[in-house]
Amino acid sequence: EADIYQTPRYLVIGTGKKITLECSQTMGHDKMYWYQQDPGMELHLIHYSYGVNSTEKGDLSSESTVSRIRTEHFPLTLESARPSHTSQYLCASSDGYRDQETQYFGPGTRLLVL
Amino acid sequence: KNQVEQSPQSLIILEGKNCTLQCNYTVSPFSNLRWYKQDTGRGPVSLTIMTFSENTKSNGRYTATLDADTKQSSLHITASQLSDSASYICVVSDRGSTLGRLYFGRGTQLTVWP
Repeated sequence: EADIYQTPRYLVIGTGKKITLECSQTMGHDKMYWYQQDPGMELHLIHYSYGVNSTEKGDLSSESTVSRIRTEHFPLTLESARPSHTSQYLCASSDGYRDQETQYFGPGTRLLVL
Repeated sequence: KNQVEQSPQSLIILEGKNCTLQCNYTVSPFSNLRWYKQDTGRGPVSLTIMTFSENTKSNGRYTATLDADTKQSSLHITASQLSDSASYICVVSDRGSTLGRLYFGRGTQLTVWP
């Protein structure tokens, strides 16, 4: 069982609100990731970090932002939520050995923007 | 274009039966291929990982095969159980950059009936 946590698990919020999705891991991993997943669709990378103070945008354009002030914490923020942001957001971390690298995923946050 | 295609999209089998899920990819250069299991409402969990030189790997009742020449992989589930009901995702990593980019399939939704 991976030690990676996401809160909240479910969130229903109105348009225009600011939200922060929390992600924490206790495995000491340097690499962390945020994915967006719609039902029946593949995961899309929206942000990643290779260590403290390192953040990069992923493949899928996203209006969200991330920060990495501590190794174990990688929060994602939406300044102004819109219905198009409705999706499942998955956080992951990895142990960094490239050919055998495995990503450990959190349980996800299901976001509904009304 | 680097892609990962999985088939079938969904599958229903009876408890105790075997099944095989397919994954075809066009990712190049190839680094490794993983199969993940994603229960409804949860994050994906790694089942197997195979590099270029490996053509089979088992994890309990799960056996993955890889043919790097034809760029095909399969996941065979033996003596299925109700708890096997989940989405099975094929993920291929490339060597095209130091980032080891991941390409996700859309998954096969497996339902096991009693």
